[in-house]
Amino acid sequence: EVLLVESGGGLVKPGGSLRLSCAASGFTFSNTWMSWVRQAPGKGLEWVGRIKSKTDGGTTDSAAPVKGRFTISRDDSKNTLSLQMNSLKTEDTAVYYCTTGGGSESDYWGQGTLVTVSS
Amino acid sequence: DIQMTQSPSSLSASVGDRVTITCRASQGVSNYLAWYQQKPGKVPKLLIYAASTLQSGVPSRFSGSGSGTDFTLTISSLQPEDVATYYCQKYYSAPFTFGPGTTVDIK
Repeated sequence: EVLLVESGGGLVKPGGSLRLSCAASGFTFSNTWMSWVRQAPGKGLEWVGRIKSKTDGGTTDSAAPVKGRFTISRDDSKNTLSLQMNSLKTEDTAVYYCTTGGGSESDYWGQGTLVTVSS
Repeated sequence: DIQMTQSPSSLSASVGDRVTITCRASQGVSNYLAWYQQKPGKVPKLLIYAASTLQSGVPSRFSGSGSGTDFTLTISSLQPEDVATYYCQKYYSAPFTFGPGTTVDIK
């Protein structure tokens, strides 16, 4: 069974940093391109970024609103996807989902972790 | 960047009705288009990928069509459990933009 479990969310002040993690199991993580998607309270889905598998270069792409502030990385030895978020803004408040697929459809989603940016 | 739009933004229909949601891309995305269903308070669920391929386990009353810039999601006979918001997403190239969503409820 595919399982994606996000962690690391919480309350942070504007300008602060937070690191989200996504523990993956039930599939070959190292071969899988992965994405982060977020959803602000009461709003729609917003693609945050993706990371390719290392065999496909391991490169990342990010959405314009987070480019230069958020960094996606992966640790294939621990089957873990990460999202380092710096210079956080109030508009980054959202539930953050880890998903499979980063150049294809997102067929599996985690339960999400809530990030609240507020003073 | 390619922009995605959806219409209508919301609709209300009766049980058993045929429901159609449209998704439009500002530039061609071939068939690199997925549809997701998100029920209130739940995680999004993949319904259709490659514009018209039904994800395993999804009821056959859901179907997708289109290519290039214009796509449709059809529910052939609306059921109470289909109350949800539906999103399209293009994955032709990054950024993999979602449409704004269409909320479906029962009349």
